[in-house]
Amino acid sequence: QKEVEQNSGPLSVPEGAIASLNCTYSDRVSQSFFWYRQYSGKSPELIMSIYSNGDKEDGRFTAQLNKASQYVSLLIRDSQPSDSATYLCAVKGRDDKIIFGKGTRLHILP
Amino acid sequence: EADIYQTPRYLVIGTGKKITLECSQTMGHDKMYWYQQDPGMELHLIHYSYGVNSTEKGDLSSESTVSRIRTEHFPLTLESARPSHTSQYLCASSVYRGDQETQYFGPGTRLLVL
Repeated sequence: QKEVEQNSGPLSVPEGAIASLNCTYSDRVSQSFFWYRQYSGKSPELIMSIYSNGDKEDGRFTAQLNKASQYVSLLIRDSQPSDSATYLCAVKGRDDKIIFGKGTRLHILP
Repeated sequence: EADIYQTPRYLVIGTGKKITLECSQTMGHDKMYWYQQDPGMELHLIHYSYGVNSTEKGDLSSESTVSRIRTEHFPLTLESARPSHTSQYLCASSVYRGDQETQYFGPGTRLLVL
């Protein structure tokens, strides 16, 4: 089992709709969780970090964490064409390393 | 805005050559990382450092070395480049606020080994 798993997509969402991105992780003692956005040919850019169970909102983005289910998600409300990118889930495990998933390609349909 | 720099941005080199990829940050961050990323694939951790004179191995560390003589500088060296090293190399540095770590990435170096 890979340490951080994401559906590679592509996930196609109409403009204005909610995009929902999911991630599962294997290390039960992980404490820190991150969502990055990566445009094609560019470096990852941190969108959200979450450390406690529940929801964390920042503008159009909401991160959700469920440690019991080892599941973290990212919701993007009012999706815009500029949100089209690959979204990387990353988890900091017990060994203090930040490990990345393969990413989900999101395509916002105009 | 994170001030983290990588040079060169692009490099084409022949098999067997020794290469050093440079990474510098001006934010005074202690923790730094090197990742390798192939197109459409996940980032693989190569090496990381907690600070000066600290280096730790990641999952892909066997064919490269790093050094951390100064806080701001974390170069990655491939002793003998091979075509399998063709990839994008991303450097990152982190800041801690309490126990919460925020990681910033440099622009990357695209390496092609012929």
